[in-house]
Amino acid sequence: KAGVTQTPRYLIKTRGQQVTLSCSPISGHRSVSWYQQTPGQGLQFLFEYFSETQRNKGNFPGRFSGRQFSNSRSEMNVSTLELGDSALYLCASSWDREGGELFFGEGSRLTVL
Amino acid sequence: DAKTTQPTSMDCAEGRAANLPCNHSTISGNEYVYWYRQIHSQGPQYIIHGLKNNETNEMASLIITEDRKSSTLILPHATLRDTAVYYCIVRVLLNAGNMLTFGGGTRLMVKP
Repeated sequence: KAGVTQTPRYLIKTRGQQVTLSCSPISGHRSVSWYQQTPGQGLQFLFEYFSETQRNKGNFPGRFSGRQFSNSRSEMNVSTLELGDSALYLCASSWDREGGELFFGEGSRLTVL
Repeated sequence: DAKTTQPTSMDCAEGRAANLPCNHSTISGNEYVYWYRQIHSQGPQYIIHGLKNNETNEMASLIITEDRKSSTLILPHATLRDTAVYYCIVRVLLNAGNMLTFGGGTRLMVKP
């Protein structure tokens, strides 16, 4: 059974650019959530999507956005990149039942120069 | 959100049991305790979770105190590959959503 797949694994952007990251959840999982990990702030929740609707949102500026498609695949976008956006972006999928575990991908490592 | 407190780091000898404590004194009755670990540069890996009773799976055991204010993750026979950051998380249920609030975790170093 394939795990959560994130692309690209590594990317380098410059300040002011935008970036789109992709996440393919485990087959049958309908919930996809995104996390940002930095050395200073640790792992922080960005947002969660379920059935193409954003269900929860973390405390991040509007430059961070996402969406989910009908096949549960999800993308997140960061516009007007800042140096502080350099991070590992992790996607997790779940069956969405109470007490169910989240399965994480390997992440997309973004470097902003 | 119920917060968790974990030691910053711990050492364990290879082959011995690793006991990782976690305090969650403000946990609510419907909140689960989850444990994840993150090996360097990889995504977090689910280990185990529980609500009230002790739980065991092929990876670890989870012991939750009767008052649910603390728990211990036990790796019965630690190996070098268990070196990782271990996160104890209390799951927040928001409209049946899946949002995890990670703390700083415990950096476990398994030594030969």
